[in-house]
Amino acid sequence: DVRLVESGGGLVQPGGSLRLSCTASGFTFSGYWMNWVRQAPGKGLEWVANINRDGNEKTFVDSVKGRFTMSRDNAKNSLYLQMNSLRAEDTALYYCVRDLSGPFCYWGQGILVTVSS
Amino acid sequence: QSVLTQPPSASGTPGQRVTIYCSGSDSNIARKTVNWYQQVPGSAPKLVIYNNNQRPSGVPDRFSGSKSGTSASLAISGLQSEDEADYYCAAWDDILNRYVFGSATKVTVL
Repeated sequence: DVRLVESGGGLVQPGGSLRLSCTASGFTFSGYWMNWVRQAPGKGLEWVANINRDGNEKTFVDSVKGRFTMSRDNAKNSLYLQMNSLRAEDTALYYCVRDLSGPFCYWGQGILVTVSS
Repeated sequence: QSVLTQPPSASGTPGQRVTIYCSGSDSNIARKTVNWYQQVPGSAPKLVIYNNNQRPSGVPDRFSGSKSGTSASLAISGLQSEDEADYYCAAWDDILNRYVFGSATKVTVL
């Protein structure tokens, strides 16, 4: 079965850092573009970033450029989101998503990030 | 404010047909494919329509999508109680250079 399991979330103070991980299983991880999508409490979906199959092409939403980086390790079937200089408005449930706009789209269950003092 | 505009709510009785509309612009819907996601409260979203009108494996054929110009729509025919959820349209935006989601439509089964 396809599984995407996010980890690394939690409570962090404004200005702090967190590294989210997404561990994939049940499919050929290296064959898919991967995405991070977030959802603030009670709000809608917001696309955060994507990365191509090789990890050498990445795109970010403007609000996180310069603060977030994204990477993947195909040998470990893992996706990462390094989040620095965190702000209150980054508080959200972060989803790891495979093939966001294609027939093999699959969402993880999400991991909560709370930025608060 | 979302780049893609959806009505906040829609409703129908079991068995009815409900249509949700999504309004965009030349930089997104007009030139890019539209996707639709279903999010049942407390659960992760799920893709129900991709490439304007294609259903992923396992999605009932009660769900259908279409696109015309800068607008798209999702229709749910034979409405069932399990269809009660938030529905989001989405597309890539060439000017913003990011994937954009609609503001969500909450479908209620009366």
